[in-house]
Amino acid sequence: DVKVTQSSRYLVKRTGEKVFLECVQDMDHENMFWYRQDPGLGLRLIYFSYDVKMKEKGDIPEGYSVSREKKERFSLILESASTNQTSMYLCASSLWQEQYFGPGTRLTVT
Amino acid sequence: EDKVVQSPLSLVVHEGDTVTLNCSYEVTNFRSLLWYKQEKKAPTFLFMLTSSGIEKKSGRLSSILDKKELSSILNITATQTGDSAIYLCAVEARIQGAQKLVFGQGTRLTINP
Repeated sequence: DVKVTQSSRYLVKRTGEKVFLECVQDMDHENMFWYRQDPGLGLRLIYFSYDVKMKEKGDIPEGYSVSREKKERFSLILESASTNQTSMYLCASSLWQEQYFGPGTRLTVT
Repeated sequence: EDKVVQSPLSLVVHEGDTVTLNCSYEVTNFRSLLWYKQEKKAPTFLFMLTSSGIEKKSGRLSSILDKKELSSILNITATQTGDSAIYLCAVEARIQGAQKLVFGQGTRLTINP
């Protein structure tokens, strides 16, 4: 079974803090993705990566950056958290079309 | 801009009813359409559709793609309370050689006993 894990299920941070969200997959997948999920908006792609050290902007990259130093790990970084980044963050990995999702991190920025 | 729209956004029915969820899309370089079910945590994969008119079935769930109408439906027959979830439709596009999924807003389905 594919396993995608995320470092935290719940996180509360203050405005202006730097936030790291970690994602690890154990299936040697090339592609990894970060989404945020908000009510009424569905899943929106923030960044994705199709290889180590490669990254591509998704639909809403502003305010975020990513790092992929190892194939199994994809990190999402909020350089200076803001209240409008309060959301559920989902990581996913894939070899082909089907994406496998982690359990999500619910981030609250106060 | 690639776009996926689902309807209805929310649906409440009684156990035993049949429901139909809709997904329409506008994407360049369409490759496939996927359906996911999301209960409390991570979305889990249901179906992937690439060809028009071929129904995919899994138990009480079935789905079909219409590439002419740029749409897909997901049917659930004899619904059960365990079918309560958010159902997500996603369309695959290819950017810079990498696969990307564009998601719809989701349909929140509630099955009452």
